[in-house]
Amino acid sequence: GENVEQHPSTLSVQEGDSAVIKCTYSDSASNYFPWYKQELGKGPQLIIDIRSNVGEKKDQRIAVTLNKTAKHFSLHITETQPEDSAVYFCAAAAAGNKLTFGGGTRVLVKP
Amino acid sequence: NAGVTQTPKFQVLKTGQSMTLQCAQDMNHEYMSWYRQDPGMGLRLIHYSVGAGITDQGEVPNGYNVSRSTTEDFPLRLLSAAPSQTSVYFCASRLGSADTQYFGPGTRLTVL
Repeated sequence: GENVEQHPSTLSVQEGDSAVIKCTYSDSASNYFPWYKQELGKGPQLIIDIRSNVGEKKDQRIAVTLNKTAKHFSLHITETQPEDSAVYFCAAAAAGNKLTFGGGTRVLVKP
Repeated sequence: NAGVTQTPKFQVLKTGQSMTLQCAQDMNHEYMSWYRQDPGMGLRLIHYSVGAGITDQGEVPNGYNVSRSTTEDFPLRLLSAAPSQTSVYFCASRLGSADTQYFGPGTRLTVL
């Protein structure tokens, strides 16, 4: 089955700096890669996703890149703000298959 | 739409008790899943369903049962609660395999 690894497990950045989280996956058939943000005491919420026919996707300060050859994808947050502090999860899914999550990254944005 | 709803929000059980965590969605989603999240850890898949009448095991299914008699509901049953099942449980649903997955607010379960 699919295995998703996520790094780093914790990330501390200064407000205004960029944050990058990287994930690798094992199943070459995976074609859907979402990113979730989880705030304390809440369920994860989708922030951005990318499908295998696209190499990069942006939404304001958030971007995701996908390298299908190397089987890795990354989340980039620019101009970080204190409200970006949360736990972030990557995930991968192949068509008709279950979503497999990475272990999570705890991001702390220091004012 | 209410989205994905879960009840109860909090539950305390004694070892050996059984209970059912309820999950419902009103988005006509085919795919539904149950995850557990332990402190400092990621989301681990317990069971999932790709449609009414179809269920399958995830990576940590032992001690849990599910059924999917309707598209809307996907209850999770703990057969005989153990302290190792103390966790936060999340239900999730999505329309298809490559569609956005929505999570419920979670149920915090403590087994004494």
